[in-house]
Order: sequence, then structure tokens, then C-alpha cells
Amino acid sequence: GDSVTQTEGQVALSEEDFLTIHCNYSASGYPTLFWYVQYPGEGPQLLFRASRDKEKGSSRGFEATYDKGTTSFHLRKASVQESDSAVYYCALSDFGGSNAKLTFGKGTKLSVKS
Amino acid sequence: NAGVIQTPRHKVTGKGQEATLWCEPISGHSAVFWYRQTIVQGLEFLTYFRNQAPIDDSGMPKERFSAQMPNQSHSTLKIQSTQPQDSAVYLCASSVGGAREQYFGPGTRLTVL
Repeated sequence: GDSVTQTEGQVALSEEDFLTIHCNYSASGYPTLFWYVQYPGEGPQLLFRASRDKEKGSSRGFEATYDKGTTSFHLRKASVQESDSAVYYCALSDFGGSNAKLTFGKGTKLSVKS
Repeated sequence: NAGVIQTPRHKVTGKGQEATLWCEPISGHSAVFWYRQTIVQGLEFLTYFRNQAPIDDSGMPKERFSAQMPNQSHSTLKIQSTQPQDSAVYLCASSVGGAREQYFGPGTRLTVL
């Protein structure tokens, strides 16, 4: 079945550091890829999505580019802030197969200190 | 606009008791999803309704778990004879259509003693 792998379980940074969270996927079809962010006591909320090869998604300074060749969708931010501390999830959905469910990675907990 | 509403926010049950979790999707959304979140397994899909009809329940445990959507304004997830391993945060999400952005509720934290 479809799967998503996030390499980093936890990332600790200082403000203004560069962030990279790695995401690789495996899917039988041509999935849509997502990044979600979750704050304590809340449900995940969508950061952005990308549906086609080489498409870049972005929001709030975060960005990721859909790379079908390497089956990756790595999250990057040039300068993190303390308010970015949260858990980040990479996810996919195979809409082409009429299956709208989300398959999530294990999540990456980002801690940013001032 | 009110987001997805889930009640209760916290529920504690004894082993063997029944638990019913409620979800009110965003008005006008036709798709409702249920997910389970644990430290060990992360976020797992359970089941999905579109226009109140069950579409995919491939993530539902075959025993003790059931979900319904009797009308467009709410869905329920029922767990019979709860076990400690059922302890988790149960998340409900809704979307305008099946292939659109899913909006998540805050979740119900179920603790089975």
C-alpha cells in the first residue's frame, strides 16, 4: 500500500536557522502530496499541497517541491521562528484512484529556541 | 465559521465499556473522515463518508468499531467493549468534496483504564 517516510523524528533549531525535513513517499498511482502542521491540543492543519511533478507548494515561508523522480517532497524554511515549533506531517492522497483518505508520515517535532 | 466540532474532548472509560464519539462537520461539507492518532502508530485512517454514504472503511478494526453518519450534520464513531489499546486521540475531518482539503477537528482523547 501507499506509505510516507519522514526521516527526522525530532529537530531542534535556533531562531533564524534553516530548516529541512525530509519526506519520501511510495504510491502506486500519481498522488497529491501535503504538508500539515499540528499544534498541541489541535488537529492537523494544512500548510500546502502539490499535485504535479515539479510543482512547488508554499505557505508562511515554508516550501516544498514535488519530485516524482526521487519520490520526495522535502519541507524547507530559510529562517525559522520560535512560533514555528510544532509537529509537521507529510501526507499523500491518491485522488486519481478516487480514494480521498490521507496517508501520513510519522511526523517531525520541530523545537525552535529563541 | 465554526470549524469541525468534536465532542467530548476527553473521555475516560473502563475496560469493557462502550464509547461513542461525535463529530459535527463544517456546514456544507459532504465528506467526513475519521482518523486515530497514537504515539506509536501516528495518524491512521479509519473510515470515510461522502454524502452520508460509507465509502471506505479499510482502516477500521473489524471488531468492536463502527461508524455512522445518520445525517449531514453529524457522524459518530462507536467503540464497543473498549480495551486499553483503544486509548488514542480520535480525529474527525471534513472536506467540501472527497478530493479537497480536509479540515480537522481538535480530536477526542479517549483513555481506557
